[in-house]
Amino acid sequence: QQQVKQSPQSLIVQKGGISIINCAYENTAFDYFPWYQQFPGKGPALLIAIRPDVSEKKEGRFTISFNKSAKQFSLHIMDSQPGDSATYFCAARKRPEYGNKLVFGAGTILRVKS
Amino acid sequence: NAGVMQNPRHLVRRRGQEARLRCSPMKGHSHVYWYRQLPEEGLKFMVYLQKENIIDESGMPKERFSAEFPKEGPSILRIQQVVRGDSAAYFCASSQNSGAGTYEQYFGPGTRLTVT
Repeated sequence: QQQVKQSPQSLIVQKGGISIINCAYENTAFDYFPWYQQFPGKGPALLIAIRPDVSEKKEGRFTISFNKSAKQFSLHIMDSQPGDSATYFCAARKRPEYGNKLVFGAGTILRVKS
Repeated sequence: NAGVMQNPRHLVRRRGQEARLRCSPMKGHSHVYWYRQLPEEGLKFMVYLQKENIIDESGMPKERFSAEFPKEGPSILRIQQVVRGDSAAYFCASSQNSGAGTYEQYFGPGTRLTVT
C-alpha cells in the first residue's frame, strides 16, 4: 500500500528553468510534509517542509505548494542550477499518536543541464 | 554542533554473519528512527526508539532484526544471519522530541551493507 505517491520518476531541466515535483498522499493521519534532497552516497538532507494549515512556503529558490483538499503537495525549484542535480524525496509524517514515522515517496531523479 | 553520526559507513558481511550498525543522534535529540533504502527505491521506516524504549517497530522484519537505544551509548541496529536481500543502505534519523510542533527528522550519512 503506497501512501505517498511521487512523480515524475525522473526529470531533466535546463539551467535556469523551473523544476516541479509532485506528491499525493492517501490518508489524513499526516501532520507534516518535508522534502529531502539526496546526493549519491549521502544521507537525505532536509530541504524544506510545510504543515497542512499552510498553503505555500518559500525558502530561497525552493517553494512548497500544499493543497489539503486534494491531498497533494509539490516542490518547485526556481532558477534550477546544475548543483541541484540530485534525488528528491517527498515525505509525510504520521501524527504522534500514529508513531511519528516518515512515509516517503519513491523519489525523483533531477538532472539540470548546463 | 555535530549532526547524526553513523558507523561504519560501509560494511561487508558474508551470508550468515551478523551485522551491527551504530547511530549517535544529534546533540539534544532523544528520538531515533531507522530507515532502510533498497537500491533505486525510497526509504522505508523500520523502527522508532527513545532511550531504553522501542516505541514502534512495525517496519522491522519479524526475524533476525533487532534494535536498541540504551541509556548510554549509540543506538544499535542488529541483523543476525544476514542474507543477500539485506544488502541496502540503512539510515538513522533523530529528532528533538515527538510532540506536536517538533517535527524535523535529521538523517545521518548511512551505513551501506553489502552481503556477499
